[in-house]
Amino acid sequence: GAVVSQHPSRVICKSGTSVKIECRSLDFQATTMFWYRQFPKKSLMLMATSNEGSKATYEQGVEKDKFLINHASLTLSTLTVTSAHPEDSSFYICSARASREQFFGPGTRLTVL
Amino acid sequence: QQPVQSPQAVILREGEDAVINCSSSKALYSVHWYRQKHGEAPVFLMILLKGGEQKGHDKISASFNEKKQQSSLYLTASQLSYSGTYFCGTETSGGYNKLIFGAGTRLAVHP
Repeated sequence: GAVVSQHPSRVICKSGTSVKIECRSLDFQATTMFWYRQFPKKSLMLMATSNEGSKATYEQGVEKDKFLINHASLTLSTLTVTSAHPEDSSFYICSARASREQFFGPGTRLTVL
Repeated sequence: QQPVQSPQAVILREGEDAVINCSSSKALYSVHWYRQKHGEAPVFLMILLKGGEQKGHDKISASFNEKKQQSSLYLTASQLSYSGTYFCGTETSGGYNKLIFGAGTRLAVHP
């Protein structure tokens, strides 16, 4: 299957700081990428759809100004958690569609102290 | 709207079979199945498309009833490696749209 990478895999930051997470499609071009958030033992919650060259589409209840998404190229999307707080601690996973299938990156575990 | 998965959890002995169900209140274009192990990202298992096309692993089978807006994942002759949480993701229209995932089914396979 297609390969999606994410960086970093783990990040610990202080409350109030911003954290950037990168998502790359390594062997295919992805005009659309998706960002999910997952709490322990819970489902994957879609946060936003990232579209190359245009604004992201956010799901209801997700703060656009807090979770900034940029899709600058066909292989890279970034999620920036701005002014992070402990309640933002979670597992963030990106995914991209290759043909009809959707493949996930390895995820980023964010811990905000 | 989130699809409904059942059962919530299954415990099997190696070699036993299991069926995991996924149903939606909306008309579906496709259903995607994933397995996630603790601390890891979901791994693609299978996609079933409206019209009968499907693509996935040889040892896993699934069905998609478009009229009933339901899909089932069949795990036969289970192995220890099958343990994990299974999620179905549903797409309500074509065009590489977003997937909405069910709450998941936890499967534990014991020797």
